[in-house]
Amino acid sequence: QVQLQESGPGLVKPSETLSLTCSVSGGSISSYYWSWIRQPPGKGLEWLGYLHYSGTTNYRPSLKSRVTMSLDTSNNQFFLRLSSVTAADTAVYYCARGPITNWRGAFDIWGQGTAVTVSS
Amino acid sequence: DIQMTQSPSSLSASVGDRVTITCRASQSISNYLIWYQQKPGKAPKLLIYATSSLQSGVPSRFSGSGSGTDFTLTISSLQPEDFATYSCQQTYSTPYTFGQGTKLEIK
Repeated sequence: QVQLQESGPGLVKPSETLSLTCSVSGGSISSYYWSWIRQPPGKGLEWLGYLHYSGTTNYRPSLKSRVTMSLDTSNNQFFLRLSSVTAADTAVYYCARGPITNWRGAFDIWGQGTAVTVSS
Repeated sequence: DIQMTQSPSSLSASVGDRVTITCRASQSISNYLIWYQQKPGKAPKLLIYATSSLQSGVPSRFSGSGSGTDFTLTISSLQPEDFATYSCQQTYSTPYTFGQGTKLEIK
């Protein structure tokens, strides 16, 4: 079965760039949309954006100037880069498969999440 | 952005109880409403998509209903493993948005 695993540094300095990788196993990264979602401590979930293996991307407007998503089909991975981070970007970051069009846009498979703290 | 508001924010209930959680959208989202369950330190788990369709493997005690702006998640008979936080999400338009979550606790 398909599994997702996030990886990346757990601590990022203010003003620097947060970079995370989501590795997909048990299935191909092609043919699906893939999303990044985050959850600040004690708060709700926030969708950051999605990308498709075709190159289509859709970013949250409030983050659009700072976020870049990309993928590597040969290694079955996709990536998140968030520039100029501040303490407000401290959160658990999840990668997920979706939106799944046939399921009204649900995210059906999630990674376990990786905690990122922005601090000097 | 479409705002999603859940009520209540927290709920205490006992094993065997029937519970209902409500999610309201700031504008009509047709049936583009998703429910997730999340346990502490874990990723969200898809429960229901398209308002009322149960994800494979999810027990039938979970059900969803609604349309337009008002939606509900019902658990017909609470089991010990159901104590968790439940979040709704709209996928009608981007940016996709989530409710703030409803924490279901043991009474």
